[in-house]
Amino acid sequence: SQKIEQNSEALNIQEGKTATLTCNYTNYSPAYLQWYRQDPGRGPVFLLLIRENEKEKRKERLKVTFDTTLKQSLFHITASQPADSATYLCALHTGGFKTIFGAGTRLFVKA
Amino acid sequence: GAVVSQHPSRVICKSGTSVKIECRSLDFQATTMFWYRQFPKQSLMLMATSNEGSKATYEQGVEKDKFLINHASLTLSTLTVTSAHPEDSSFYICSAGQGNMNTEAFFGQGTRLTVV
Repeated sequence: SQKIEQNSEALNIQEGKTATLTCNYTNYSPAYLQWYRQDPGRGPVFLLLIRENEKEKRKERLKVTFDTTLKQSLFHITASQPADSATYLCALHTGGFKTIFGAGTRLFVKA
Repeated sequence: GAVVSQHPSRVICKSGTSVKIECRSLDFQATTMFWYRQFPKQSLMLMATSNEGSKATYEQGVEKDKFLINHASLTLSTLTVTSAHPEDSSFYICSAGQGNMNTEAFFGQGTRLTVV
């Protein structure tokens, strides 16, 4: 069956360090993968999109990698700040605008 | 980015009543909108795809008579939870895409439904 897996346990890091979140998927061949941020009680907010022919994408302090052989994406936040604390969702497109989400990883950045 | 507005943000209703949630694309036209449901600490689960001018496409296990979807215009989709029960209490979120390309989806703020 098709699965998207993200670390279910929360990630706790110290301010200034790099946070690395993992997204693994099985039985999908997505053309692209996305990362979203979700704060409690709010809808997800789009962060980055990476296509299957791209190995890496950057946006300010964010970096995403996409390995279609390993079926894995890594999401990095460098120089992390307490304001980066949130849940980060990995999402795959299965056609059109239809998006399938992972359960998300909760990130806590301590000052 | 594009703006999707969802209303209301919170609603409490009695068992057996119906609740309507609106999803509007404010600055673009959306021929397709999506409705998700999210339980605490769980992923967003796609409920249905709302198509302007035609019937919605429901995911397996989602009762279409329970969750009525209407997409009457290019900027508005509504989800009506009929004969609500406490187990329908959840966070409901809509999203819309822009244009014909596979790009990011824009999400509404979500609606917290509590059925008492």
